[in-house]
Amino acid sequence: KAGVTQTPRYLIKTRGQQVTLSCSPISGHRSVSWYQQTPGQGLQFLFEYFSETQRNKGNFPGRFSGRQFSNSRSEMNVSTLELGDSALYLCASSLGDPGRGNTIYFGEGSWLTVV
Amino acid sequence: KQEVTQIPAALSVPEGENLVLNCSFTDSAIYNLQWFRQDPGKGLTSLLLIQSSQREQTSGRLNASLDKSSGRSTLYIAASQPGDSATYLCAVPGANSKLTFGKGITLSVRP
Repeated sequence: KAGVTQTPRYLIKTRGQQVTLSCSPISGHRSVSWYQQTPGQGLQFLFEYFSETQRNKGNFPGRFSGRQFSNSRSEMNVSTLELGDSALYLCASSLGDPGRGNTIYFGEGSWLTVV
Repeated sequence: KQEVTQIPAALSVPEGENLVLNCSFTDSAIYNLQWFRQDPGKGLTSLLLIQSSQREQTSGRLNASLDKSSGRSTLYIAASQPGDSATYLCAVPGANSKLTFGKGITLSVRP
């Protein structure tokens, strides 16, 4: 059974550019969550999607957005990149609500460096 | 607001030692608690999930316990090996599907 797949694994962008990251959840999983991980802040919740609907959003500016498709695949977009957006972006999937007893599985992450 | 604390931030032990990693949380109204492992440059691997109705969960050399009333969980690693070297994180879910993570404990097992 394939795990959570994230692409690309590594990317370098310039300040002001925008980036799109992709996530394919485990087959059958309908919930997809995104997290940002930095050395200083640790893991911070970005948003969660279930059946194409964004159910929850973390405390990030509007430059961070996402969507989920009918096949549960998800993308997140960051516009007008800033140096502080450099981080590991992790996607996670679960069968149901991650807050209600469902195990959550993470992908390998996308390393974003903004220069 | 849920806060999750893991102390110490780093731990170094000789191979073969049994060890306990601690996790504390401030809001005891949780559905479950999950332990993860993260290798350098990698994503998180789920180790154990303990439901709020459970007190322990075991997988191989790993045993996790949960005490909701005291806001604590422990991850016990038996007979540690160099391959256990990694960062271990605990996380608890909130009402909005968000997981709140601790900062993690970086474990180094010396051969």
